[in-house]
Parts: sequence; C-alpha cells; structure tokens
Amino acid sequence: SQQGEEDPQALSIQEGENATMNCSYKTSINNLQWYRQNSGRGLVHLILIRSNEREKHSGRLRVTLDTSKKSSSLLITASRAADTASYFCATDTDSSYKLIFGSGTRLLVRP
Amino acid sequence: GAVVSQHPSWVICKSGTSVKIECRSLDFQATTMFWYRQFPKQSLMLMATSNEGSKATYEQGVEKDKFLINHASLTLSTLTVTSAHPEDSSFYICSARGWTPYEQYFGPGTRLTVT
Repeated sequence: SQQGEEDPQALSIQEGENATMNCSYKTSINNLQWYRQNSGRGLVHLILIRSNEREKHSGRLRVTLDTSKKSSSLLITASRAADTASYFCATDTDSSYKLIFGSGTRLLVRP
Repeated sequence: GAVVSQHPSWVICKSGTSVKIECRSLDFQATTMFWYRQFPKQSLMLMATSNEGSKATYEQGVEKDKFLINHASLTLSTLTVTSAHPEDSSFYICSARGWTPYEQYFGPGTRLTVT
C-alpha cells in the first residue's frame, strides 16, 4: 500500500528555476527519504530526514519535514536539464525498515 | 560502495513459464532485501521482505506461491515469478539493507514482459 501522495504529479520548469515537490503521508514515521528515478532505471537515494528534524540541506537540495501536518517538501534550486526524473518520497515507520513510497512527481526541466 | 545488481535487466517469457530474477549486493552483506514492483508511470509497491536464512514476509495481496523469494546468502536474493501471465509484466526492483539503519540500496531493476 502507498503511504501517501505527492504533488504535483507532474512539473515542467525552465532550466535555472527552482522546483518544489510535496509529499504527504498518513501515519507516524521514523524517517522520510527522497529518491530520484530516471526513466526505466533504479532509484538513487537523495536525502534522509529523521522525524525529529525539520530541515536538511544537501547541495542544491533542501528538504523540510512537518510532522504535525504529516508532510515534507523537496526543493531543488537552480534546476538543470539533468534533474529531469521522477522523484519519490518514502517513509519507514517501524523497526522492519520497510519503505512505503509516495505516488511520485515527474519533473521535466526544459533546457 | 553499496552496489546492488540485478540479473537479468530485462526478460521476455511466454505465458505459463517461470522466471527467476537475481538480486545481489556486490560489496556489502545485506541482512535484509526487499522486492518491489512498479507499473508504468506508477510508484513502487513493496511486495515482500526477504531476510537471509528465513522465510520471506509478503505484503497483503501478494501471492506467496506465485512470487517465490529465496534469500540463501547475505549477498543474494532471488524472486521467481511462477506460471507468469501478461498481467505480471512489470518492472521489478530489489533493494538491500546493510548494517546502516534506514538506508536501502536499490538495484537497477528488471523489466519482465510476459507474452
């Protein structure tokens, strides 16, 4: 089953612009992670944020977590054509470490 | 480090036959491996959790007799799709968890097409 939804489902922006994707989830979590998937490929881990953290940065990525609203956002600044991919949030809720994925956002960065 | 491979990367089989997909952790020992299925333009759906030396734990709605999972060693898990049908056509992805909590390392996926 899917933990939650992501919006928008699809996003098209111009190179150099910022891209913001949102993820909502349903139950309490231990951690929330963001992954990128290029078309027809496996997943690349981007960033992990723990439930007691509110914001985290990694290069051009900024992730926020609001546990009271059960939501997270991923901001990609100064986007590049190479950022074109699908982005998924994933949560783990217990010691089994199972990841439950959101529905994903397809990002298109136009050169 | 933390590389996970899958074999084959793609496979076409006839309806009614069985297909085995391998997932290997190349440079670390994976205590747990996970199998996901992904339909076109959809998200990953967890199918089962595979622990070395024990029976896999299947998610609700996943037929354990159809999707046989074996985790015989700390570096290899296999998924066998038995009596495959066209509706089993999908992208199958495995991931492996090492000793670091929470992080999973994903394989490149296997595209299965059943004709």
